[in-house]
Amino acid sequence: GAVVSQHPSWVICKSGTSVKIECRSLDFQATTMFWYRQFPKQSLMLMATSNEGSKATYEQGVEKDKFLINHASLTLSTLTVTSAHPEDSSFYICSARVGSGVLRYNEQFFGPGTRLTVL
Amino acid sequence: AQTVTQSQPEMSVQEAETVTLSCTYDTSESNYYLFWYKQPPSRQMILVIRQEAYKQQNATENRFSVNFQKAAKSFSLKISDSQLGDTAMYFCAFMKHGKAGTALIFGKGTTLSVSS
Repeated sequence: GAVVSQHPSWVICKSGTSVKIECRSLDFQATTMFWYRQFPKQSLMLMATSNEGSKATYEQGVEKDKFLINHASLTLSTLTVTSAHPEDSSFYICSARVGSGVLRYNEQFFGPGTRLTVL
Repeated sequence: AQTVTQSQPEMSVQEAETVTLSCTYDTSESNYYLFWYKQPPSRQMILVIRQEAYKQQNATENRFSVNFQKAAKSFSLKISDSQLGDTAMYFCAFMKHGKAGTALIFGKGTTLSVSS
């Protein structure tokens, strides 16, 4: 149990286009999902916290108009990189936290990540 | 604000040996959780071990154990009988207790290489 998927796993796009990344909790309901960005050999940097049915909370320095986050259901959150540029190229990881139930509510479960390359 | 510090950017060990990764943190919270995550070359984040701050007993998971020193705000990870599959980047992480929307705060990571 506690599986989180991300789609796509790898995407290449042209500069100026938008890219949508999906994060799904497959076997549990995630009241909260988190989006991270990771550069090679560096740590995970929290971009935003997403709660189902409400607006995402963005970390300082993250452009909310550029990185649109939607958490429309308890099993799906999406990150849309709008008007992508080469500097947006990175590895994006989502995680989901269980609200309640048999799984430990204080754990986060991570997706496998999405590698974005903007040409 | 909470901070997590991993002072060893890289470490190496031979198979079957024991290695200890260091982590210190700073917080004014009294109740919180600490984690060690492993990120192998596949880049999938894998939970290695977790510790609740209110528990005095150090957590263990098979070959992995922690030395949790709450007063010193130290949380080191010991890997016994190291295996080639342990090669990965290891992150120490902190999370406040209670709030559902509380995110993990990660250290910068330690790259561990296990050689034969």
